[in-house]
Amino acid sequence: AQTVTQSQPEMSVQEAETVTLSCTYDTSESDYYLFWYKQPPSRQMILVIRQEAYKQQNATENRFSVNFQKAAKSFSLKISDSQLGDAAMYFCAYRHGAKAGANNLFFGTGTRLTVIP
Amino acid sequence: EPEVTQTPSHQVTQMGQEVILRCVPISNHLYFYWYRQILGQKVEFLVSFYNNEISEKSEIFDDQFSVERPDGSNFTLKIRSTKLEDSAMYFCASRPPTGLALSGELFFGEGSRLTVL
Repeated sequence: AQTVTQSQPEMSVQEAETVTLSCTYDTSESDYYLFWYKQPPSRQMILVIRQEAYKQQNATENRFSVNFQKAAKSFSLKISDSQLGDAAMYFCAYRHGAKAGANNLFFGTGTRLTVIP
Repeated sequence: EPEVTQTPSHQVTQMGQEVILRCVPISNHLYFYWYRQILGQKVEFLVSFYNNEISEKSEIFDDQFSVERPDGSNFTLKIRSTKLEDSAMYFCASRPPTGLALSGELFFGEGSRLTVL
């Protein structure tokens, strides 16, 4: 089974500063997708950003960007200009590419981000 | 904006009792999932469901578990005889038809917390 590792159980950042959350994964596949999901307290997980493995360009969504290092199997999330509303649990997730039965996501254990006013 | 909804938000049950967790996926979605998260551990895939049958399941999803889509809107997870180790947060998720899937993005509910005493 694929493994996704988030080595930072907790992180904190000053409001308006930048923070990077780490994620590494293990796979023998060449075609796959990577995601960062955000789970605010008592709310559902929502997709923050996704990356297709075949794309070399790092994905960007407003203040959120990733550093995708395919050879190193690393997929970190950078949050710029952090806001109080960014405080949440962040999960890194992996999904196989277009192969039969590739339905499910493999999640990391999450990183709890605190934003300090 | 459409959301995946789950009920109950929290259920406490005695060991050995049957539990049914309910989910209403987003209406035009075709793929449905159950995940669980034991406290302090990673989110784990249980089962996926498509076209009224299970498409994939994990080793966690043993004979004690079953899923059903009884009426075209609800998607339920039943645990026949709960064990202490079934205590977890259970997340339902859904995904739109493949053409709209945005590389496998899942839409999650807020979760149902199950406590087995």
